[in-house]
Amino acid sequence: DAGVIQSPRHEVTEMGQEVTLRCKPISGHDYLFWYRQTMMRGLELLIYFNNNVPIDDSGMPEDRFSAKMPNASFSTLKIQPSEPRDSAVYFCASTPAGSTDTQYFGPGTRLTVL
Amino acid sequence: SQQGEEDPQALSIQEGENATMNCSYKTSINNLQWYRQNSGRGLVHLILIRSNEREKHSGRLRVTLDTSKKSSSLLITASRAADTASYFCATDDPRGSTLGRLYFGRGTQLTVWP
Repeated sequence: DAGVIQSPRHEVTEMGQEVTLRCKPISGHDYLFWYRQTMMRGLELLIYFNNNVPIDDSGMPEDRFSAKMPNASFSTLKIQPSEPRDSAVYFCASTPAGSTDTQYFGPGTRLTVL
Repeated sequence: SQQGEEDPQALSIQEGENATMNCSYKTSINNLQWYRQNSGRGLVHLILIRSNEREKHSGRLRVTLDTSKKSSSLLITASRAADTASYFCATDDPRGSTLGRLYFGRGTQLTVWP
């Protein structure tokens, strides 16, 4: 298996632009997680899905952030409009069975908002 | 929140020495996991210990769990320069609505000097 796939790996954009991050989880995994990592705040859970249904989005910073999982093999995290404080590394992770199992992380998307 | 806290925040040792990192958490757990993150990469699962286990080994890794003290330790024996990375503990929370997610700490940055 190729593991969790994220794209793009790097994104540089200007403030106010829309940013879309993409994730393909490992086939057969029922849970998908979006995290954000910064030096200041560490690793934060933004939202997670079980069987394509959002379970907990309490970590989403504000209405500028939205996430979708239209099918079991694809998820997007969208920021509109983007702001410099959104600059971070965004990770997607998947797991077969929730917190009783290992989470497999993607390589991350490094987002820089100028 | 259930978020774990690692101690120390940073650890610097020579090759061949042992490295010990600690994790404390706040509420009951089903399991505790340790992850490793190399610079610029996603997190990689190292080991999982269940609440009814007290010690677990995997290669040069030894994990202990003390549920009465709500703490865990990760010992890396005979460290190598390649062990340089950040190490995170992650706990679940068996209560109600947060089933499925893990709570990550801020991590310990381990540097092993050749």
